[in-house]
Amino acid sequence: ETGVTQTPRHLVMGMTNKKSLKCEQHLGHNAMYWYKQSAKKPLELMFVYNFKEQTENNSVPSRFSPECPNSSHLFLHLHTLQPEDSALYLCASSQDPRASGGNTIYFGEGSWLTVV
Amino acid sequence: KQEVTQIPAALSVPEGENLVLNCSFTDSAIYNLQWFRQDPGKGLTSLLLIQSSQREQTSGRLNASLDKSSGRSTLYIAASQPGDSATYLCAVNDDTSSSASKIIFGSGTRLSIRP
Repeated sequence: ETGVTQTPRHLVMGMTNKKSLKCEQHLGHNAMYWYKQSAKKPLELMFVYNFKEQTENNSVPSRFSPECPNSSHLFLHLHTLQPEDSALYLCASSQDPRASGGNTIYFGEGSWLTVV
Repeated sequence: KQEVTQIPAALSVPEGENLVLNCSFTDSAIYNLQWFRQDPGKGLTSLLLIQSSQREQTSGRLNASLDKSSGRSTLYIAASQPGDSATYLCAVNDDTSSSASKIIFGSGTRLSIRP
């Protein structure tokens, strides 16, 4: 248990569906992240939120829409996805990443997404 | 643009051996470097964090070194055990972002320890 909880753990959705991934952290961190992990590719940073403000959008298609209502919760809203979007989506959090050379980043267990 | 490379992509060694995993990065302006472990189908677990001002960190049988000037880090695992089998990922906290940090990952080394 890392203190970062992701739900659901597994999701199968059709290309016309709308679904959301949820992430919650109980560590008092200020920064939260979404990463995508596809087979045989490095982890790809998707979005960064710092103090609820989006500070990075790594050229992610608009069919992925993040939402950060507060520092403890992060959502990834999904709509009209493609089969190639099937991957493990990992949420992470860290303390203020600009402080004292940065801090350890903690990951959730991930949400396995299959688009059919 | 920061790039992180891990070699080899896969490694298999007999139990009890000491081993070294390698990580290299192209831009030495980093905040810190972390080593992670990922078991199949699971999230990432942080093993060691080395600040940019440090040269090494140790935790149990693990020792990580950092040479910023040459853009290299190594993860040394002593007396390997079958339970060490996993994918090991190296990640640098990129100092070039003007706002929040960007953590750039390598592709990982898949380690298998044979009993």
